Amino acid sequence: DVKVTQSSRYLVKRTGEKVFLECVQDMDHENMFWYRQDPGLGLRLIYFSYDVKMKEKGDIPEGYSVSREKKERFSLILESASTNQTSMYLCASKPRDRARETEAFFGQGTRLTVV
Amino acid sequence: AQTVTQSQPEMSVQEAETVTLSCTYDTSESDYYLFWYKQPPSRQMILVIRQEAYKQQNATENRFSVNFQKAAKSFSLKISDSQLGDAAMYFCAYRSALAAGNKLTFGGGTRVLVKP
Repeated sequence: DVKVTQSSRYLVKRTGEKVFLECVQDMDHENMFWYRQDPGLGLRLIYFSYDVKMKEKGDIPEGYSVSREKKERFSLILESASTNQTSMYLCASKPRDRARETEAFFGQGTRLTVV
Repeated sequence: AQTVTQSQPEMSVQEAETVTLSCTYDTSESDYYLFWYKQPPSRQMILVIRQEAYKQQNATENRFSVNFQKAAKSFSLKISDSQLGDAAMYFCAYRSALAAGNKLTFGGGTRVLVKP
């Protein structure tokens, strides 16, 4: 069973704090993703990584950075948290497409509140 | 850039009845995948069904089926014999078969309410 584990389900941080959201997957997947989910906007891609130490900006990277030092772990960093970063954050992983049909697996999300 | 649009923020269905969720997308690519994901209150995203663009036959998974209209760029989900456990947010998603990282682009979601 594929498992994508996010370190916290709920998090409350203060404005200006540096925040780390951690994601670990146990299936040796090459690709990992960070999304934020907001009502009416669905999931929007923040950053993704297709290999260790590789990262690509998604659609809304401003105010975020990422780190992938090991294949199984993909961290999302809020350098200086702001209230408009209050949201649900979802991590996902997916194997590289060796076969055509591969799906992404998601963690259970971290609901971050910045006060 | 690809976009995915779900025009129905919320749909309500009576238990055992059928409901259809709409999804349209915009792309210039010819090789891609389309997905419907379900997100129950537990927040765990669950893949419901997928469709490969090069396959003309509509995908089905038990009570879930899609109507894939490639020329119209439409990908609707039909839930038959609705059950209380079908109540959730449903997201339509697009993935290019070619792009690096194979990222998913999601629509805004449709909340499905099931009335007993």
